[in-house]
Amino acid sequence: SQQGEEDPQALSIQEGENATMNCSYKTSINNLQWYRQNSGRGLVHLILIRSNEREKHSGRLRVTLDTSKKSSSLLITASRAADTASYFCATANGTASKLTFGTGTRLQVTL
Amino acid sequence: GAGVSQSPRYKVTKRGQDVALRCDPISGHVSLYWYRQALGQGPEFLTYFNYEAQQDKSGLPNDRFSAERPEGSISTLTIQRTEQRDSAMYRCASSLALDRQGAQETQYFGPGTRLLVL
Repeated sequence: SQQGEEDPQALSIQEGENATMNCSYKTSINNLQWYRQNSGRGLVHLILIRSNEREKHSGRLRVTLDTSKKSSSLLITASRAADTASYFCATANGTASKLTFGTGTRLQVTL
Repeated sequence: GAGVSQSPRYKVTKRGQDVALRCDPISGHVSLYWYRQALGQGPEFLTYFNYEAQQDKSGLPNDRFSAERPEGSISTLTIQRTEQRDSAMYRCASSLALDRQGAQETQYFGPGTRLLVL
């Protein structure tokens, strides 16, 4: 079963704009990870944020985590056409190693 | 070094046949995971190994599905008597180990095997 839900399900923006995607989950977590999946390609790991962290940056990516609201957001600044992909959040809880993925946000960046 | 590799990349089989999907993790990675992904959905956990030991197989849908990792490296996911509903992308991932806090490390995914059961 899917743990999280991404919002929005689909997002279309122009190159240069910022894209924000949200993820909500249901149970307590150890960490939350964001992945990107290009059409027909593999899952690429973007960033991992631990439950005791509130914000993390990596290049043009900024992730926030609010454990009290059981939610996370992924911000992509100055988007590029190459950012067009589906973005998934995934959570790991307790000592369980398995990841539970959300349903994904499909991002379309147009020129 | 090379990432996670999977073979075959595509597999078309007839209903009732057995299939074996292979995963070669990143060298030195302790943990290996299998997931299944339906179109338009996120991956769903099937099973995982630490070294050669299967730690959790709670996601395997039924007893037609099995997995092994006999030498703690390459893993095989076997589906017996395939059914059309088994059609999906099967993804493998590996991670180095748990970190010092016991938190799970980043999982790195392979390209997947797309299985089509006719």
